[in-house]
Amino acid sequence: EPEVTQTPSHQVTQMGQEVILRCVPISNHLYFYWYRQILGQKVEFLVSFYNNEISEKSEIFDDQFSVERPDGSNFTLKIRSTKLEDSAMYFCASSKEYNSPLHFGNGTRLTVT
Amino acid sequence: DQQVKQNSPSLSVQEGRISILNCDYTNSMFDYFLWYKKYPAEGPTFLISISSIKDKNEDGRFTVFLNKSAKHLSLHIVPSQPGDSAVYFCAAGVDSRDDKIIFGKGTRLHILP
Repeated sequence: EPEVTQTPSHQVTQMGQEVILRCVPISNHLYFYWYRQILGQKVEFLVSFYNNEISEKSEIFDDQFSVERPDGSNFTLKIRSTKLEDSAMYFCASSKEYNSPLHFGNGTRLTVT
Repeated sequence: DQQVKQNSPSLSVQEGRISILNCDYTNSMFDYFLWYKKYPAEGPTFLISISSIKDKNEDGRFTVFLNKSAKHLSLHIVPSQPGDSAVYFCAAGVDSRDDKIIFGKGTRLHILP
């Protein structure tokens, strides 16, 4: 069964550094998402992306965050200047149709020191 | 602002018995609801969904019940199996408006031998 893949599985970075989290959504999916889960807390929506543009973003997704679909397969989340509170598990997800169930990747654990 | 609440952080159930996971929501605009299951080190996996036009949806051992007047839904797993031990997330969305879903904090289900 097709899967959403995320790399790396664990990223450690210093505060203030830029990180790029990578995702390869399922190939025939059209809607792409980033969610995050801070340890012990709920899974939070960050951003959704469709037709090469952001369709919705949460208040968490401020100017330090950006997303890109640089080619036909990758979907990336960039955090420009990481803060300690950005430490979390970041999940990429994709769906085939609007509001159909999301398929999640296994996540990237980001640790900001 | 917890729009989707799962008030039980954990639940233990004997193998073979029924597991009942509960979820409450506050946003009356929500009109579709989903349950996701998450194993350690993996992303959430879609389990079952229900639209607000129905009050019950069944898929094998999994049944979701929706009580709109009480803004409450529940997931029943019967009979419970060891592989059901996981974290279960309730999620809700507005079908006609948003392309994001809001997750609860999750309930960790332990199936006891």
